[in-house]
Amino acid sequence: GAVVSQHPSWVICKSGTSVKIECRSLDFQATTMFWYRQFPKQSLMLMATSNEGSKATYEQGVEKDKFLINHASLTLSTLTVTSAHPEDSSFYICSGTDHNSPLHFGNGTRLTVT
Amino acid sequence: GNSVTQMEGPVTLSEEAFLTINCTYTATGYPSLFWYVQYPGEGLQLLLKATKADDKGSNKGFEATYRKETTSFHLEKGSVQVSDSAVYFCALSGGYQKVTFGTGTKLQVIP
Repeated sequence: GAVVSQHPSWVICKSGTSVKIECRSLDFQATTMFWYRQFPKQSLMLMATSNEGSKATYEQGVEKDKFLINHASLTLSTLTVTSAHPEDSSFYICSGTDHNSPLHFGNGTRLTVT
Repeated sequence: GNSVTQMEGPVTLSEEAFLTINCTYTATGYPSLFWYVQYPGEGLQLLLKATKADDKGSNKGFEATYRKETTSFHLEKGSVQVSDSAVYFCALSGGYQKVTFGTGTKLQVIP
């Protein structure tokens, strides 16, 4: 089946630094990528939607300058958390679709900001 | 807007017990309904889906029926196993686009 590879699976960084999370679609062309955030004991909240070659569309309340999303190719999308702070600690997960099949999720990235 | 409400967990069952996780939704139009499963340390996997009223999705012994009259999509399994221990998310979508998730229900199956 279709696979989305997400890296890193976990990362610890110091407050003020930036962290990049990559999602690659391995056997399909992800025309659209969705980025979600999951707080403990809560559901996944959609952060942004990115279409290949276009600027991402952010959900209300999500700071686009803090969460930079790049979707430069049909197989790669990145989320960069800039100037990370402890409140950014969360589980981030991507999903991709080629619009011909349901979403395929990555395994997620556990970010801890100290 | 769309929303999904599912029963809070955690749910703890003995092996071979019957499982029901309730899910109700609010949506405009005729959404597709999904159950996703997240095993420890892993990402989400689609467990089953139903795309129209009265459809029954099934996979790995799990079933859920799309009930438009009660706006529900309850997940059931007749006999759970330890390997079913995971977090289960009910979700809906107006298409293969944005998905609205419930808060998840943690299931723990003990031997």
